[in-house]
Amino acid sequence: DAKTTQPNSMESNEEEPVHLPCNHSTISGTDYIHWYRQLPSQGPEYVIHGLTSNVNNRMASLAIAEDRKSSTLILHRATLRDAAVYYCILRGPAFQGGSEKLVFGKGTKLTVNP
Amino acid sequence: DTEVTQTPKHLVMGMTNKKSLKCEQHMGHRAMYWYKQKAKKPPELMFVYSYEKLSINESVPSRFSPECPNSSLLNLHLHALQPEDSALYLCASSHLLGSYEQYFGPGTRLTVT
Repeated sequence: DAKTTQPNSMESNEEEPVHLPCNHSTISGTDYIHWYRQLPSQGPEYVIHGLTSNVNNRMASLAIAEDRKSSTLILHRATLRDAAVYYCILRGPAFQGGSEKLVFGKGTKLTVNP
Repeated sequence: DTEVTQTPKHLVMGMTNKKSLKCEQHMGHRAMYWYKQKAKKPPELMFVYSYEKLSINESVPSRFSPECPNSSLLNLHLHALQPEDSALYLCASSHLLGSYEQYFGPGTRLTVT
């Protein structure tokens, strides 16, 4: 499985934007970049995913570098509820071999200060 | 309803006990998963079921025995566990095997004494 590298921890202030980086220099051409987060005492939850183009949804935005060797998850206005461990995960195309698994790395623990 | 439920929330068992963890979803998903998460570590995949058949076993010891009796229910039977098996056991489901989004339950916190 292609590996991802994330900072162990980051801090932000409430209502400010947060940029969570992820490096994936060995990404293959067909790997999708997925983000999940795990709030305290909960199971992980899907945040967003993308292949090449930047993506937006109600939770966050995903900015993907042109060479696809890095990506950034953007929370536009952090709230206390966004304090969680954020995981950047590479997965193959849906319904193809290898896409069944979510292989979690260590993730980034985000602390949001009031 | 996008909820995956797991029971019990907490479980304490001795090494000679037999217990079961239960996971349920009513989203019509045909793929279900068991993950194990040790304290301060990321979740690790254990088993994957697709259409009630075991699709992936990540070399999990036989003291963990999964079962998928129907498309909504996933069980994990536990027998002769070791203290190092203490962990959070997470269940997840997805529309089909390999679907992008997996929905996770809150987990069962297991302590083996």
